[in-house]
Amino acid sequence: GESVGLHLPTLSVQEGDNSIINCAYSNSASDYFIWYKQESGKGPQFIIDIRSNMDKRQGQRVTVLLNKTVKHLSLQIAATQPGDSAVYFCASRRGAQKLVFGQGTRLTINP
Amino acid sequence: DSGVTQTPKHLITATGQRVTLRCSPRSGDLSVYWYQQSLDQGLQFLIQYYNGEERAKGNILERFSAQQFPDLHSELNLSSLELGDSALYFCASSVADGYGYTFGSGTRLTVV
Repeated sequence: GESVGLHLPTLSVQEGDNSIINCAYSNSASDYFIWYKQESGKGPQFIIDIRSNMDKRQGQRVTVLLNKTVKHLSLQIAATQPGDSAVYFCASRRGAQKLVFGQGTRLTINP
Repeated sequence: DSGVTQTPKHLITATGQRVTLRCSPRSGDLSVYWYQQSLDQGLQFLIQYYNGEERAKGNILERFSAQQFPDLHSELNLSSLELGDSALYFCASSVADGYGYTFGSGTRLTVV
């Protein structure tokens, strides 16, 4: 079966530094990947997605990198702000199948 | 506001009871997904409906059932509730299968 995992359950960074959250997936046939942010007491919020025909995609202060060779996905957040504190989930999908979510990484911003 | 509406936001009920959670998808979205999130856990997929029909099933207990109505809103029914069913239940919707889910704000169920 397909699984998506995260390398670290928690990550602490200094305000203003860049954050990198990593994710590994197991299904080499996965062709679509998403990062979600979940703040306390709220539903997951879409951040950025990437298809398997790309290896990098940039948004506002966020960049997703995809390495299909090692089945690894990362989310980079530039100039981390207090509002970035949340749990970040990666998810992957193959074809029209449902998204499979990882366990999440809790990002804490230190002042 | 994500456009996906879940009611109620909070629900406290006793063991053995039955509850119904409701989800209205974003306008134009045909797919509805239900997820369970226990404390400090990831999102566990329960079930998906697409345009009124069951499309995929995950780790959904037999005590749980769902349906999607002609107006595309969906209900998740949880019966014979146990303490371990206490969790956040999220609904998400998408236009097509698997792309860019939009999540609601969830229903927090507490079984006492």
